[in-house]
Amino acid sequence: EVQLVESGGGLIQPGGSLRLSCAASGFAVNSVYMTWVRQAPGKGLEWASVIFSGGNTYYADPVKGRFTISRDNSKNTVYLEVSSLGSEDMAVYYCARDNSGWALDYWGPGTLVTVSS
Amino acid sequence: QSALTQPPSASGSPGQSVTISCTGTSSDIGVYNYVSWYQQHPGKAPKLMIYEVSKRPSGVPDRFSGSKSGNTASLTVFGLQAEDEADYYCNSYADSNKWVFGGGTKLTVL
Repeated sequence: EVQLVESGGGLIQPGGSLRLSCAASGFAVNSVYMTWVRQAPGKGLEWASVIFSGGNTYYADPVKGRFTISRDNSKNTVYLEVSSLGSEDMAVYYCARDNSGWALDYWGPGTLVTVSS
Repeated sequence: QSALTQPPSASGSPGQSVTISCTGTSSDIGVYNYVSWYQQHPGKAPKLMIYEVSKRPSGVPDRFSGSKSGNTASLTVFGLQAEDEADYYCNSYADSNKWVFGGGTKLTVL
């Protein structure tokens, strides 16, 4: 059974950094593309970053240069390192798996990042 | 990349049909057939309902249908049921290996 579980969120001061994790089971994270999507409180979904099976990575303009997506194949886990955090980054962060149809068929429950002093 | 444009709300009575539009540009919806739709209930993760414009994943009722014309994609829900009440988001692949979501539509079943 495919499962994704995010962790690593929490309360962080403005300007701080966090590493979010997405532990996968039921498939290999290096066999598909994996995506991070975020959702600010009461707002819509926002695509943030993707890592392709070949290892190439891409970012949305608002996070480029501040966020880094990576994976550890031995742990079957995808990461999102987020830095220089501001209030605009406060959101639930979801990881999701590609269904080989350029859509996201499995999502984790999300992890909340709160930015506050 | 700019967000795709969706109406903020839509509604219909049980048994009726409702269509939600999603307008993009010639850099996303207009040129790629990688439009997907997601349903999100409060406090839950999104659920894939439609991919590649009109394909349904296994387990999604055939009451949900997707289409595209030009720069606009649409999701139609036939035979509305109470459990269809949720937020719906469209998504499209865009240029330069990026994706873009719509702002979301709150569907109310009257």
